Amino acid sequence: GAVVSQHPSRVICKSGTSVKIECRSLDFQATTMFWYRQFPKQSLMLMATSNEGSKATYEQGVEKDKFLINHASLTLSTLTVTSAHPEDSSFYICSALGQGGYSNQPQHFGDGTRLSIL
Amino acid sequence: DQQVKQNSPSLSVQEGRISILNCDYTNSMFDYFLWYKKYPAEGPTFLISISSIKDKNEDGRFTVFLNKSAKHLSLHIVPSQPGDSAVYFCAASTVYNNNDMRFGAGTRLTVKP
Repeated sequence: GAVVSQHPSRVICKSGTSVKIECRSLDFQATTMFWYRQFPKQSLMLMATSNEGSKATYEQGVEKDKFLINHASLTLSTLTVTSAHPEDSSFYICSALGQGGYSNQPQHFGDGTRLSIL
Repeated sequence: DQQVKQNSPSLSVQEGRISILNCDYTNSMFDYFLWYKKYPAEGPTFLISISSIKDKNEDGRFTVFLNKSAKHLSLHIVPSQPGDSAVYFCAASTVYNNNDMRFGAGTRLTVKP
């Protein structure tokens, strides 16, 4: 159980392109989804938290207009990197929490998206 | 501000021996701790967790120890197997705000046959 699917797994595109990444909870309803970014040999850095039906909460230093997040249903959240540039190249990972509230439950992660901007 | 630290970037052990992965944290508000395992090109997989009301949690070959006074936790894997070779992330959060989960930089474990 608790499977999270992330798509696509890899994107290579030209500078200026907008890229959409999907995160789906396959066998549970996710009230909260998280988007992380990981640079090589570094920790997972939380970018934003999205709750179904409401606006995402962004971490300090993350540009809201650059990284658009939509959580339209209990099983789907999307991250759109708008007008991507080479410095946006990174590994993006989503995770999800079920409807059991916040108490003592792990986040379940997708397999990540490797984004490469040329 | 790195609130969760894994000071050993890598660890190598022989198959059958014990692997001990360490993690330190600075925020005394953290009361829920997790270990994740990550293979290349995959997302982290939840392994085991512990809440601050306990000092030990065991699941098969995996045991997590928590020392609150030292703000330190460790993951023991015994016996280690080659399939355990992966990057292990330590994470910490508060029980009432799981949004605020902080991760360590990870430790790459290599188990040699």
